[in-house]
Amino acid sequence: KQEVTQIPAALSVPEGENLVLNCSFTDSAIYNLQWFRQDPGKGLTSLLLIQSSQREQTSGRLNASLDKSSGRSTLYIAASQPGDSATYLCAVTGENTGFQKLVFGTGTRLLVSP
Amino acid sequence: DTGVSQNPRHKITKRGQNVTFRCDPISEHNRLYWYRQTLGQGPEFLTYFQNEAQLEKSRLLSDRFSAERPKGSFSTLEIQRTEQGDSAMYLCASSSNKDRIEETQYFGPGTRLLVL
Repeated sequence: KQEVTQIPAALSVPEGENLVLNCSFTDSAIYNLQWFRQDPGKGLTSLLLIQSSQREQTSGRLNASLDKSSGRSTLYIAASQPGDSATYLCAVTGENTGFQKLVFGTGTRLLVSP
Repeated sequence: DTGVSQNPRHKITKRGQNVTFRCDPISEHNRLYWYRQTLGQGPEFLTYFQNEAQLEKSRLLSDRFSAERPKGSFSTLEIQRTEQGDSAMYLCASSSNKDRIEETQYFGPGTRLLVL
């Protein structure tokens, strides 16, 4: 059974810091990995999708890397801003869980203080 | 393109009542998904449709739950005889299978259900 773990569960940083969020998964037979952002009481916003054949994806201040063989992904946020405060979720689709079904971690709650 | 919409946004009901939620996907998306999220947890997959066909159902989807997508456009999720354990955020997502493996799922704002 695929299990996705995110560390840390919560993170508080001052504005301007660069930070890294971690995601690990137990079954390396994945099709892709997605990072989402969720604001309190709201739905999910897709940030980045990395295919299993890719090593990283970038969008603005965000960079996501994927090491499929070790079952790890990181989300790097450069020059953090208070508006980045949210919960960040990673999720995978996989050969054994179905390429349509996202399996999520429990998220990292990020607070960026001014 | 107005994104995925869900109605209602909030629902409070008494235990034992039936509730129905609606999801309108992005117009050109042929795949639609339902997830459930409880407080402090990540979303959990419930079911998904390709066009009007329901292709997969999670074991989380008990007999009290039924989902439909009659014309391959909007979908409804009905919960019969609600229980307090059904209290959660119900999220809908949609995607297109133009790129079979690369597709991104786009989520709606969710329906928050509270069963008293």
